[in-house]
Amino acid sequence: GEDVEQSLFLSVREGDSSVINCTYTDSSSTYLYWYKQEPGAGLQLLTYIFSNMDMKQDQRLTVLLNKKDKHLSLRIADTQTGDSAIYFCAETGLTGGGNKLTFGTGTQLKVEL
Amino acid sequence: GAVVSQHPSRVICKSGTSVKIECRSLDFQATTMFWYRQFPKQSLMLMATSNEGSKATYEQGVEKDKFLINHASLTLSTLTVASAHPEDSSFYICSAQEASHGYTFGSGTRLTVV
Repeated sequence: GEDVEQSLFLSVREGDSSVINCTYTDSSSTYLYWYKQEPGAGLQLLTYIFSNMDMKQDQRLTVLLNKKDKHLSLRIADTQTGDSAIYFCAETGLTGGGNKLTFGTGTQLKVEL
Repeated sequence: GAVVSQHPSRVICKSGTSVKIECRSLDFQATTMFWYRQFPKQSLMLMATSNEGSKATYEQGVEKDKFLINHASLTLSTLTVASAHPEDSSFYICSAQEASHGYTFGSGTRLTVV
């Protein structure tokens, strides 16, 4: 099946920028998503990008997509303690039948004072 | 925005009993519902996909006789864990898809089988 990989852990100081990376293998990916999961909770959609876009910015969040390298990143500016959570990238593509989300392994973001 | 209500949020049951988890889309009609399972510190694993009025499509390795999915209406899908055992203890999350809303996730159900 298709793989979506992320680094497991990221620690940053409050006020710094965080960059969470994601690589995927599905060359037919159409949409790529970033979700946030707090302990014991469901997933909150943060942002998404269509595969024909290179960059999308939404307030403190910036998504960069390098389709050639199949690399997606999420930058969080001015990271706050409330940003501490697990972040999942996900993609949908023709390989998954068009509407299945394939999730990455998740990155635990820890924001320190 | 779109909301999916998932209940219960937490359930503890005895081994051998069945547990039903409900997911409702509150302000939109969900053409497709997805059920995921998540083990501690792991990613979400898709269990099955269900479309209203038809049988669910299960992922490889998921026992359809154990994880019974009913999607009787465009706003309600249920997952029943039949004859639950301790190894079924996990976090279960549903997701509803509708064209204009994308994917909306429930808040999850923590199942503990003792």
